[in-house]
Amino acid sequence: NAGVTQTPKFQVLKTGQSMTLQCAQDMNHNSMYWYRQDPGMGLRLIYYSASEGTTDKGEVPNGYNVSRLNKREFSLRLESAAPSQTSVYFCASQTSGIQAFFGQGTRLTVV
Amino acid sequence: GQQLNQSPQSMFIQEGEDVSMNCTSSSIFNTWLWYKQDPGEGPVLLIALYKAGELTSNGRLTAQFGITRKDSFLNISASIPSDVGIYFCAGMNYGGSQGNLIFGKGTKLSVKP
Repeated sequence: NAGVTQTPKFQVLKTGQSMTLQCAQDMNHNSMYWYRQDPGMGLRLIYYSASEGTTDKGEVPNGYNVSRLNKREFSLRLESAAPSQTSVYFCASQTSGIQAFFGQGTRLTVV
Repeated sequence: GQQLNQSPQSMFIQEGEDVSMNCTSSSIFNTWLWYKQDPGEGPVLLIALYKAGELTSNGRLTAQFGITRKDSFLNISASIPSDVGIYFCAGMNYGGSQGNLIFGKGTKLSVKP
C-alpha cells in the first residue's frame, strides 16, 4: 500500500528558480493538503483541495501555487524560489472520516 | 486565527516512566488528533477523539478530549526507546474550513535508555 507518495524527497534550488513538488494518493480520498514544517513552528497549511477541481488558500499561501490535476494528484509549485521557502513540505490526504495520511516529505533548500 | 499551545516543548524521561503532554486552544474544536513524527518521516496518526470527554486508548497511549473542547492530553505509559520522536496535537472543526487541521508546535520526546 503506497498511501501518499511525494517526489522528490530532496531538492536544492537557487534563488529565483522554479519547481513543482508532486503528490499522489491511492486511497481515493477527496481532500488533499500541502503543509510546510519549519523548526519550532509545527505544520502550517499552505493550500488545500477539498475535492477534484477546487483549491483554496491556507495559512501561508504566498509564493506558492497548486494544481489538483485529478483525484489522485495535487502538486505544489514555487514560481520563484526564495530562501524563506527552505523547509520540509508535506502532502496529506483526508477522508470524510477525518483521518489524515501524510507523505514522507520533501526537504527543500533554497540557496 | 486559531492557535494551539502544546506543552511541554521537550522532555527527557527514564525508560519505563509515564509521559504526559497536553494541548490547549483559544477556541473550541470538535475533533482532536494526536500524531507522532519520527525523524525523516511524515506524521502518523496515533489517536483521534471526536466527542468532549472522550477517553481513548491505543496500546500504551491514552488520550482525552477535554470537557470544555478547548484542550486535550496524551499519556504514554511505561515509555520505551522507540517512543522517541515528536508528538503533535491537532484540532479540527469538520465542516467549517473543509476539515482543516490546526497543529500544535510539538513535544519532542527523548528517552534515556
